[in-house]
Amino acid sequence: DTAVSQTPKYLVTQMGNDKSIKCEQNLGHDTMYWYKQDSKKFLKIMFSYNNKELIINETVPNRFSPKSPDKAHLNLHINSLELGDSAVYFCASSQGPQPQHFGDGTRLSIL
Amino acid sequence: GQQLNQSPQSMFIQEGEDVSMNCTSSSIFNTWLWYKQDPGEGPVLLIALYKAGELTSNGRLTAQFGITRKDSFLNISASIPSDVGIYFCAGQQSGGSNYKLTFGKGTLLTVNP
Repeated sequence: DTAVSQTPKYLVTQMGNDKSIKCEQNLGHDTMYWYKQDSKKFLKIMFSYNNKELIINETVPNRFSPKSPDKAHLNLHINSLELGDSAVYFCASSQGPQPQHFGDGTRLSIL
Repeated sequence: GQQLNQSPQSMFIQEGEDVSMNCTSSSIFNTWLWYKQDPGEGPVLLIALYKAGELTSNGRLTAQFGITRKDSFLNISASIPSDVGIYFCAGQQSGGSNYKLTFGKGTLLTVNP
């Protein structure tokens, strides 16, 4: 019973391609997030959605487009992938200001 | 932007020793959280702190929310090999529907059996 699940776990692709990462939570939470963890393990917020509404967009290039079809899902589409996009992307969810629960990450490698 | 200074960056200890790590910030936070990340997994919540001065324990872990609301520490007593991992502090400022977490850079803990 995974609370926050992301697919795929690994994503290897070439520069210039477009890819999507999916996230689903079964906790009934109303807020979902995308974080990026770089090679030095630093975690930084990218986006936040509350009840399908975009709340946070932290100066992320517009090649990154989140989409929340419903409260339980938050997907991340990335256009024209660049080498610097290589990282681990984590989805998280919370019920309002309560502690956030994280998925196990998607490891994106750009060749 | 906001930054959290987490120290130490890494620690190498013997099994059975106690560990202490801390985070400081130039900004005030309403909530302090401590997470642990194992290799290949996402951060897992250890302790959440909601009030200045609050001291909370979770088994061998104890964390405190600083009085100034700009710092927090985490102690681990009698460390065991499975304590190995990266520990992150995170601060949250709640305003409207903005619940974003600002993370420290992590403390890598290695425990020698």
